[in-house]
Amino acid sequence: DQQVKQNSPSLSVQEGRISILNCDYTNSMFDYFLWYKKYPAEGPTFLISISSIKDKNEDGRFTVFLNKSAKHLSLHIVPSQPGDSAVYFCAASPEYGNKLVFGAGTILRVKS
Amino acid sequence: EPEVTQTPSHQVTQMGQEVILRCVPISNHLYFYWYRQILGQKVEFLVSFYNNEISEKSEIFDDQFSVERPDGSNFTLKIRSTKLEDSAMYFCASNTGHGSNYGYTFGSGTRLTVV
Repeated sequence: DQQVKQNSPSLSVQEGRISILNCDYTNSMFDYFLWYKKYPAEGPTFLISISSIKDKNEDGRFTVFLNKSAKHLSLHIVPSQPGDSAVYFCAASPEYGNKLVFGAGTILRVKS
Repeated sequence: EPEVTQTPSHQVTQMGQEVILRCVPISNHLYFYWYRQILGQKVEFLVSFYNNEISEKSEIFDDQFSVERPDGSNFTLKIRSTKLEDSAMYFCASNTGHGSNYGYTFGSGTRLTVV
């Protein structure tokens, strides 16, 4: 099941710079997209979401961009901080309340 | 901030034994879920539960699995006869069921080890 793909297994960024995490999806029925952050042995922590009626949503240092025609979304973290180092998961759903389909995750390392 | 609470944090069980994983979702949430993550793999959906019944389940959620909301606050996942391949982190999640910027709230998980 490859409906949600995160093609970069890892990303390394210098503290203070921008981190860009990418996600592609194949199911055109997906209407609601989320980004989660996860530390080892902990549950996913919700970061930010976007519905398909928008192309951008911003919350503090985190911005999610959605390109529906390309079936692509990205998470921008500006500025990146060492505490942002974690695994980031993209997830999608046909509607809020339905099951989430997760990508494989991207390990982000922010170097100080 | 409201939390989803899961117990135990770690459970070791012998193959063939029954296990019950427990979750207390956020009190005003209406939808409840179980997901699992086998080491090194994706987070996978198991089952969703709404209005005291299963609303959707995955192929993984076979007859060995069941869910229950016995008392209006707890939400449990039972595995009747555990197999080695059931070893994974199991996450409970909940949400309000309405459009929200708050996503689905996940618990910290139960690590199930079947030996």
